[in-house]
Amino acid sequence: DQQVKQNSPSLSVQEGRISILNCDYTNSMFDYFLWYKKYPAEGPTFLISISSIKDKNEDGRFTVFLNKSAKHLSLHIVPSQPGDSAVYFCAAANDYKLSFGAGTTVTVRA
Amino acid sequence: NAGVTQTPKFRILKIGQSMTLQCTQDMNHNYMYWYRQDPGMGLKLIYYSVGAGITDKGEVPNGYNVSRSTTEDFPLRLELAAPSQTSVYFCASSPDGYEQYFGPGTRLTVT
Repeated sequence: DQQVKQNSPSLSVQEGRISILNCDYTNSMFDYFLWYKKYPAEGPTFLISISSIKDKNEDGRFTVFLNKSAKHLSLHIVPSQPGDSAVYFCAAANDYKLSFGAGTTVTVRA
Repeated sequence: NAGVTQTPKFRILKIGQSMTLQCTQDMNHNYMYWYRQDPGMGLKLIYYSVGAGITDKGEVPNGYNVSRSTTEDFPLRLELAAPSQTSVYFCASSPDGYEQYFGPGTRLTVT
């Protein structure tokens, strides 16, 4: 069963606007959440993370929000830039292992 | 630092053949992982290791084996390759079991 779900396979956004990516999880034992970015033919690279004791973490243009009661997290990218076009994976950690969502492909239009 | 390196980058196997995917990290991380990614899917954990000499199964271990004799190396062995093992394989390492650093991947086709 899939414990981490990204229900939007793709997102198209205009350059300069906000990108919002969503992720839902089912396992209440997850204690750490991460977002990874992946370009074609490369491995995923770490973007930003949040501990389950926080509800927001910011790093430059990237902000992750966590709603534990809803088992939901989101990634906001403001402003979106052409180099942000990639696949974004949500991941949740428990017991030193990560469970990944299926990914959301973001396309930033000029 | 090279980070996490994987060899080979590409490989075509015939059904029933065996091979080893190599993974090396130079960051002195205790935790290492093997994942596979199928088209349109997220990464699925095959095996992981929390230190030299210690390995454990992940979500999809069938058809694979691993060993961890050193901190740096974590090879993944495929025995009796099957078409269902056609995938992209990623190795990762982590200092704490949370933030993981990935290699560039090995694209494997079994025909």
